[in-house]
Amino acid sequence: DAGVIQSPRHEVTEMGQEVTLRCKPISGHDYLFWYRQTMMRGLELLIYFNNNVPIDDSGMPEDRFSAKMPNASFSTLKIQPSEPRDSAVYFCASNKNSYHEAFFGQGTRLTVV
Amino acid sequence: AQSVTQPDIHITVSEGASLELRCNYSYGATPYLFWYVQSPGQGLQLLLKYFSGDTLVQGIKGFEAEFKRSQSSFNLRKPSVHWSDAAEYFCAVGAGVTGGGNKLTFGTGTQLKVEL
Repeated sequence: DAGVIQSPRHEVTEMGQEVTLRCKPISGHDYLFWYRQTMMRGLELLIYFNNNVPIDDSGMPEDRFSAKMPNASFSTLKIQPSEPRDSAVYFCASNKNSYHEAFFGQGTRLTVV
Repeated sequence: AQSVTQPDIHITVSEGASLELRCNYSYGATPYLFWYVQSPGQGLQLLLKYFSGDTLVQGIKGFEAEFKRSQSSFNLRKPSVHWSDAAEYFCAVGAGVTGGGNKLTFGTGTQLKVEL
């Protein structure tokens, strides 16, 4: 398996623009997680899905953030409108179930100018 | 709520020396514990995990960690560090409850520098 695949690897956008980050989890994994990594806050969980259904979105910082998982092999994290403080590395991860570790993608480095 | 403390932000060791990275956790039930490593510009790679059973767990790249319930600790060790081990190391605790997957809470990380 190719692992968790995220795209793009790098994104630079202007404040106010919409940004969409994409993730393809490992095939057969039932859970998908979106994390954000910043210098100030470290790694924090934004939202996670089980069998394509959002289970806990309490980490999503604002209504500007939304995430979807239309099928088992694809998820998006959207920021609209983007702000400079959204600049961070966003990681997607997946795991098989509660008794297995999470596998992380390479991350998307987002810069909002 | 679960939490993880990594008290050392930076650690510098000489190549060939032994290493211990500290991790303390707070969680009401039996924790699922992990150590991940992150090289610059890369994602997180799992080094090892503890779910149950033997409290001394072996991982990749010669790392091991010991779960000590009485101390709420899960320290990472390596007997002889290689220059390629320079990276940032994260300890994490997972919720692991039914239906919760492994909703991870991460520590703030320890940046390891290896002197040649």
